[in-house]
Amino acid sequence: GDSVTQTEGLVTLTEGLPVMLNCTYQSTYSPFLFWYVQHLNEAPKLLLKSFTDNKRPEHQGFHATLHKSSSSFHLQKSSAQLSDSALYYCALSEQGTGSKLSFGKGAKLTVSP
Amino acid sequence: AQTIHQWPVAEIKAVGSPLSLGCTIKGKSSPNLYWYWQATGGTLQQLFYSITVGQVESVVQLNLSASRPKDDQFILSTEKLLLSHSGFYLCAWSLGEGEQYFGPGTRLTVL
Repeated sequence: GDSVTQTEGLVTLTEGLPVMLNCTYQSTYSPFLFWYVQHLNEAPKLLLKSFTDNKRPEHQGFHATLHKSSSSFHLQKSSAQLSDSALYYCALSEQGTGSKLSFGKGAKLTVSP
Repeated sequence: AQTIHQWPVAEIKAVGSPLSLGCTIKGKSSPNLYWYWQATGGTLQQLFYSITVGQVESVVQLNLSASRPKDDQFILSTEKLLLSHSGFYLCAWSLGEGEQYFGPGTRLTVL
């Protein structure tokens, strides 16, 4: 079945340093990949979604590129901000199902001054 | 614009008592609807999904049930709560495949 493996646990960075959270996946068919961000005591929000035409989605300084050859969708940002501190989940949806979103275990990013 | 509302915002219940959580989405016709559960410090676990009124599919059995009585309404319930039911319950919607959008959630504490 389809699954997602992502950077897990605590990730601590100093403000201004680059952010890189890894996400790799296993999928039978062509999947959509997503990054969700969840701030403390809030619901998850969609941060990025993969495109089928090799465009690189960007939002709030974050970007990710779907690499089918390596089955990856790593999340990157050139310079971390204090407000980036949150939980980050990589998720996968199989095209043609519309019903199941498989989430990774999540990474808690803490950005310190 | 679409809005998703969950009720109650928070609930404290006793072990063995019944539970009913609700979710309503406005501004979208015939959305796919989902229930998720998140233990404190845990990841998101999909519980149920519904593509149309009256049809609900179970993803994970946690002694919970779900129903979709109306196009815009999704209900999560149980007759007997367990301590392990504590957590954050999230309703989400999508139009077909792809991204899902989450409601604000209900925080449940079972004592």
